[in-house]
Amino acid sequence: EAGVVQSPRYKIIEKKQPVAFWCNPISGHNTLYWYLQNLGQGPELLIRYENEEAVDDSQLPKDRFSAERLKGVDSTLKIQPAELGDSAVYLCASSLYADTDTQYFGPGTRLTVL
Amino acid sequence: GQQLNQSPQSMFIQEGEDVSMNCTSSSIFNTWLWYKQDPGEGPVLLIALYKAGELTSNGRLTAQFGITRKDSFLNISASIPSDVGIYFCAGQKKNTGNQFYFGTGTSLTVIP
Repeated sequence: EAGVVQSPRYKIIEKKQPVAFWCNPISGHNTLYWYLQNLGQGPELLIRYENEEAVDDSQLPKDRFSAERLKGVDSTLKIQPAELGDSAVYLCASSLYADTDTQYFGPGTRLTVL
Repeated sequence: GQQLNQSPQSMFIQEGEDVSMNCTSSSIFNTWLWYKQDPGEGPVLLIALYKAGELTSNGRLTAQFGITRKDSFLNISASIPSDVGIYFCAGQKKNTGNQFYFGTGTSLTVIP
């Protein structure tokens, strides 16, 4: 069974440029999460989807970050414009349902903003 | 957001030694999880704990859900080089939309 797929794995951009990350969750998983992981820290939740509905986006900086999961399957996280402080790893995870403890993480996208 | 404190921050041990690490919070959690993250990869779930006082094993790994529900412990017995990585605890609260809060991580280095 394929795991959570993320692309790209690495992205280097200049500040003020836009960037987008893509995630394909495990087949059949209804819940999808985007996390931000700064160097030396644990993941922090940005947004959680249940099917196509964003049910928790309280930690998403909405002035520059946006996300979508139009058909309730794959998802895109966008930053526009990127700032130097956005350099981090962006992790996607999925779980079968929202109330299950088992989240499966993708390998992440490492973003470097110059 | 919530912050879970893990200690120690890093460990350097000889192969074959046992390892202990812990995670504490000022809040009560209903579920405690332990993850391992290898460089360039996402975290992988090792053990899940659901009840205060629960002791659960997964091979050489043993984790416990603290009786106060504010802490958890992970032990690794007879460490081997592939145990190298960063170990994260995570707590889940049912009354906050099942959100997971991750700890700050413990970096483990095993010296052959």
